[in-house]
Formats: sequence, C-alpha cells, structure tokens
Amino acid sequence: KQEVTQIPAALSVPEGENLVLNCSFTDSAIYNLQWFRQDPGKGLTSLLLIQSSQREQTSGRLNASLDKSSGRSTLYIAASQPGDSATYLCAVRGAGNNRKLIWGLGTSLAVNP
Amino acid sequence: NAGVTQTPKFQVLKTGQSMTLQCAQDMNHNSMYWYRQDPGMGLRLIYYSASEGTTDKGEVPNGYNVSRLNKREFSLRLESAAPSQTSVYFCASTRERNEQFFGPGTRLTVL
Repeated sequence: KQEVTQIPAALSVPEGENLVLNCSFTDSAIYNLQWFRQDPGKGLTSLLLIQSSQREQTSGRLNASLDKSSGRSTLYIAASQPGDSATYLCAVRGAGNNRKLIWGLGTSLAVNP
Repeated sequence: NAGVTQTPKFQVLKTGQSMTLQCAQDMNHNSMYWYRQDPGMGLRLIYYSASEGTTDKGEVPNGYNVSRLNKREFSLRLESAAPSQTSVYFCASTRERNEQFFGPGTRLTVL
C-alpha cells in the first residue's frame, strides 16, 4: 500500500533563504507526482507535476525533482519570500489504471521578513 | 475560465439535516473528485468519477452519495448529516497527464 510522508511537518526560515521540502513514498511504481500549495483557509493550487519518466520540473523559483528508485521527491524554493508562506503538499498517483492520488500531510512553511 | 467552482462556501447544518454540495468545472475534464480535509488527517477521497455516468467509492464514502450530472457537474449529498462530517470539502478535476485542479472548498459545520 502506497504511503506518502512529508518531513518536516513545519519549517520556519528567514526571508532570502534557499530551502528544500521533502516528500517520500513507499512504492516506486508511480505514474506521476504533484506538488501543491495551500494558503490558510483556501483551496489547493497546483505548483508542479512530474511524470514518472522525468527527473525534474521547474517553474520560476521552484524546482521539483523525482528519484523513483529511492522513493523521494524534493521541492526546492530559491530566495524565499514571505509570500511563500503556506502549506506545501505532495501527492503521488499510482501506475496502471489507478486514478487516485495518495497524499502526504504537508509541510507548513513560514518565511519571516 | 472559472476553473473548478463550488457552492456554497460555508454551511452550518443541524444533525440529521440533508444538503447537497455543488461542483462544476469548465475545463472539459473527464475525471472529477470529492475530498474532505481534516486537521491531522490530510486529504481523504470520498468519491470520484472517472467519466460522465460513472462513480466509484474512495476511502471514506459512508454517509455520502454523489451524482455525476453531466461532464461539467459532480455533486455530493449528505442525506443525514452527523457531527463527524464537519470538515472542509474540496472538489477537484483532472486533465490529460492527470494534473489535478481544485475548487476553493466548502466549510461545513454540523451541530
């Protein structure tokens, strides 16, 4: 059974730092992995989607990597800003006909001015 | 494009009352989903619909029913609300490559 873990559960950094959020999964037979952002009291916003055949995806200051063999993905945020403060969630979609996402509990990020 | 829309945004019910949460997407996506989000439990799938006319149970379907009215709309019904159903409910839809998009959520309190 696929399980997704995100460590740490919470992170507080000063503005300007480069930081890495971690996501690990137990079954390497995945179709893709998606990173989301959730602001307090709001819905989820898709940040990056990495297909199983890809090693990384980039969008602006965000870079997500995928290492299927070790069951890990990282979300790198460059030059963090207070506006980056939010909860970041990763979700894994299994291979085959499985259309369901398996979710981590998220990392709550606070970027302090 | 409005994306995924949900109504209502907030709702308070008494135990035993019924209600329907509405969801619509204008992105021509085949698959749609209903989740609930609770503190410390993460997102849990209630029901999903892989295509118009089909629905399947997720992890926590008890106490809920769904209807995929057409390709755009996917509704979630609580027939007899219970305090355990107090939660934030999210609707989502999926496009090609399976990227998932979410609505803004409905915050439901059952007294």
